[in-house]
Parts: sequence; structure tokens; C-alpha cells
Amino acid sequence: EPEVTQTPSHQVTQMGQEVILRCVPISNHLYFYWYRQILGQKVEFLVSFYNNEISEKSEIFDDQFSVERPDGSNFTLKIRSTKLEDSAMYFCASTEGQGGNYGYTFGSGTRLTVV
Amino acid sequence: AQSVTQLGSHVSVSEGALVLLRCNYSSSVPPYLFWYVQYPNQGLQLLLKYTSAATLVKGINGFEAEFKKSETSFHLTKPSAHMSDAAEYFCAVRLYNQGGKLIFGQGTELSVKP
Repeated sequence: EPEVTQTPSHQVTQMGQEVILRCVPISNHLYFYWYRQILGQKVEFLVSFYNNEISEKSEIFDDQFSVERPDGSNFTLKIRSTKLEDSAMYFCASTEGQGGNYGYTFGSGTRLTVV
Repeated sequence: AQSVTQLGSHVSVSEGALVLLRCNYSSSVPPYLFWYVQYPNQGLQLLLKYTSAATLVKGINGFEAEFKKSETSFHLTKPSAHMSDAAEYFCAVRLYNQGGKLIFGQGTELSVKP
């Protein structure tokens, strides 16, 4: 079964450093998403991406965050200057379409720890 | 506004007992509804989804959920719990005409006692 692949699985970074989280969505999917889950809290939407541009972003997704699809397969989330409160599990997801019959496939996540 | 609410952050059942995890949504137009399961240190796995076809939806691992418009609910059930069902369960909605994002509930941790 096709999978969404995320790397790395764990990342530890110092406060103020830049991090890039990588995702390889399913090859025929067109819509891509990033979500995060702070430990013990619910999963929160960050951003959606379609046709090489952001289609929606949440208030969490401020100027410190950016997304990119640098080639035909990768989808990245960059945090420019990490803060302690950015520590969370970050999930990438993709879907083939946005109609009701389309499901969302999530990756296994990257656990980001900012120290 | 809270679009999806899961009642009970933690549910404990005995092995073989009925599992009932509650989810209510708030939307004037019935949304698309999903249940995801998250095993420790793993990602989110789709259990089942409601997309306005049958109101009783069957998913993987013996789970099912019934969409009840009058109650704005989409509760998840399994007739007989298994130890391997212990995990975190998330209800999620995709609101009609609100883009493709999912809005998740707070999650319910299911424990299964032998």
C-alpha cells in the first residue's frame, strides 16, 4: 500500500536554529498538508498546499514557517528560527483530491525537540 | 468555535467488552467525518470515514461508526475489545466548503484491561 514517508523520524535542534522537515507524499496525490501535535494535545492543522502554492494556513503558520515542493516528489516544512514551543510531532499528509470520497494518508511523523 | 468534540479523554474497557468512543460535531451542514487511530510512537492511521453514503460505516479492525444527523454524532464502536486496540483515537471533520483541512478532536485514549 502506498505510504507517505517522513524524514527524519526524530530531530533535536537548538533554539534559534533552522530545521527542515521532509515528506514524500504518495506519487499521484495532489494536495499536501502539514499538521502538528504538541505532546498531550490534539492534532492541529498548519498548512495546505496545492498546485505549488499555499491554499490555506492556520494562525500557527506564521512567518517563521514556510513550505516548499522543490521537486516532483518532496514536500518540505521549514522552521526558520525554532522556539521551545515548536517542540511537537509534525505530520505530513496527502490526498488525491478534495471530494468526499478521498481519504487522507498521514506519514509516521517527525518528532522535533527544541532545546 | 469547536467543530468536533470527543467526550472522555480516557476510556478503559475490559478485553471482550464493548468499545464506545464518542464524537460530536458542530456544523449546520453535515461534514465529512473520520476516525483515526494512533498507536504509541506511530502516525495516524485511518480507521473509517463517513462521506454521505451509508450512515453506518464499517472500518478496519472490526470498528464501525454510525452517523446520526439528529444527534450530530459519529460515535465509534467495536463489539469486543482486544488488547491490541489500546491506542489514541481521534475523530476529525472536514467541513463543507472550508477547504481540505481536517479539524481534529482532542483524542480519546483507549485502555484495554485483561
